Amino acid sequence: AQKVTQAQTEISVVEKEDVTLDCVYETRDTTYYLFWYKQPPSGELVFLIRRNSFDEQNEISGRYSWNFQKSTSSFNFTITASQVVDSAVYFCALSGLAAGNKLTFGGGTRVLVKP
Amino acid sequence: EPEVTQTPSHQVTQMGQEVILRCVPISNHLYFYWYRQILGQKVEFLVSFYNNEISEKSEIFDDQFSVERPDGSNFTLKIRSTKLEDSAMYFCASRGQANYGYTFGSGTRLTVV
Repeated sequence: AQKVTQAQTEISVVEKEDVTLDCVYETRDTTYYLFWYKQPPSGELVFLIRRNSFDEQNEISGRYSWNFQKSTSSFNFTITASQVVDSAVYFCALSGLAAGNKLTFGGGTRVLVKP
Repeated sequence: EPEVTQTPSHQVTQMGQEVILRCVPISNHLYFYWYRQILGQKVEFLVSFYNNEISEKSEIFDDQFSVERPDGSNFTLKIRSTKLEDSAMYFCASRGQANYGYTFGSGTRLTVV
């Protein structure tokens, strides 16, 4: 079975502050994929980033960056210099062969960016 | 960029009525999924579909639910007799051969009254 835990239910920041969202996962797979999705108030799921289990290189994409650490089963996500438009619920998700390649989502973290 | 299209975007139905939620996956995708999100909660897996049959279903996907790919392009989720607790956002997703290439539709918000 696979499981994703997002311990932070809600984070509130002031614009331009950095926000780091925590994600811890469990899986029996040796090959798996990790994702971050954004769900704005309009409700759709917006794909942000994906990482496979063989690539622990951390990257930056614009204002987004992520920190993948296999040793601690964590896949944290940072928004740098937050903006009001970043206010949304962010979901971490995992897919792996042992779970039929379906996505398993964490409980989500609501981010509120105040002007 | 190819999209997954879901219709309707919002449906209100009376308890006990049947509803059909429709999805048009990306044309060359092979794997199809339905997920559900009760308001304010996590996104939960309902069912996966491949090669014209269900490949996996969750505990939520009981006998009231069914899926179909009637014409090779649409992928539907039917709820036979809706209950109040079926009120949720329903997301369709499709995937090609790659184990990571999921595309989600924008969802159907179902309200059962």
